[in-house]
Amino acid sequence: GAGVSQSPRYKVTKRGQDVALRCDPISGHVSLYWYRQALGQGPEFLTYFNYEAQQDKSGLPNDRFSAERPEGSISTLTIQRTEQRDSAMYRCASSPDRGGRDTEAFFGQGTRLTVV
Amino acid sequence: AQTVTQSQPEMSVQEAETVTLSCTYDTSESDYYLFWYKQPPSRQMILVIRQEAYKQQNATENRFSVNFQKAAKSFSLKISDSQLGDAAMYFCAYRSRGNQFYFGTGTSLTVIP
Repeated sequence: GAGVSQSPRYKVTKRGQDVALRCDPISGHVSLYWYRQALGQGPEFLTYFNYEAQQDKSGLPNDRFSAERPEGSISTLTIQRTEQRDSAMYRCASSPDRGGRDTEAFFGQGTRLTVV
Repeated sequence: AQTVTQSQPEMSVQEAETVTLSCTYDTSESDYYLFWYKQPPSRQMILVIRQEAYKQQNATENRFSVNFQKAAKSFSLKISDSQLGDAAMYFCAYRSRGNQFYFGTGTSLTVIP
C-alpha cells in the first residue's frame, strides 16, 4: 500500500474486554514496530518484528499484551482484559531493510484506544 | 540497550530566527542511523532529516540541518528561518544494527510570531 495503515483509527472499549489492533505495513518492509504514545510524550517501544520473527518484546507492559505477525506482513497487537491505564495512542511503524535507500521508520496514523 | 536523550522539554524561537534542538545518545555500535521526526498537533510522525553514522558530512534538508558529532554521540537539529508551521514536538531517534528504533522524549517547539 501507499503507507502504513492501522485499524481501527479509534476504539472505545469497556474495561475487561479484549481488543485487537491491526497494522498493515508498507509492502515489502522487513521490520514492523509497535509503540504506545501518551500525549506530549515520545513513542514508547512495545515490540518489533523482522519478517515474522518477534525480535524483541521487552516493551510489552505485562502478559495481557501480545503481538503477532504470522506471515511477515500484517500484524496484530492484542490487549486482553483491558484496563483504563491501557488508554493511549498505539502506533505501528514499518521500515525496509537497512541496506536500502530509505532507512527511516514510516508511521501509521495510530489507533486511539479508550478504555471506559 | 541504546538510549536517546533530549534534555530540552520545551524550546521557543522567534519567527525567522534560528533554533537548535539537542540530542545525545548512548551506543557501542559504530554503524547506525539517526533521525529527527516532527510531530505537529495532528500527531502524524513526519521525518525531518536523517544521518548515516559512517558519513562525516552533516545532513541538510532546506532550512533543517544537523550537527553530528560521532565521538561525542551528539546529534543536534538546527532550524533556520523558523516558520509558524515549524511549531511541533520534535523527536530524535536512533536505528540500531538490529533494526530497532529508539526515540527520545521529545522537545516541544513554540514559534513566536
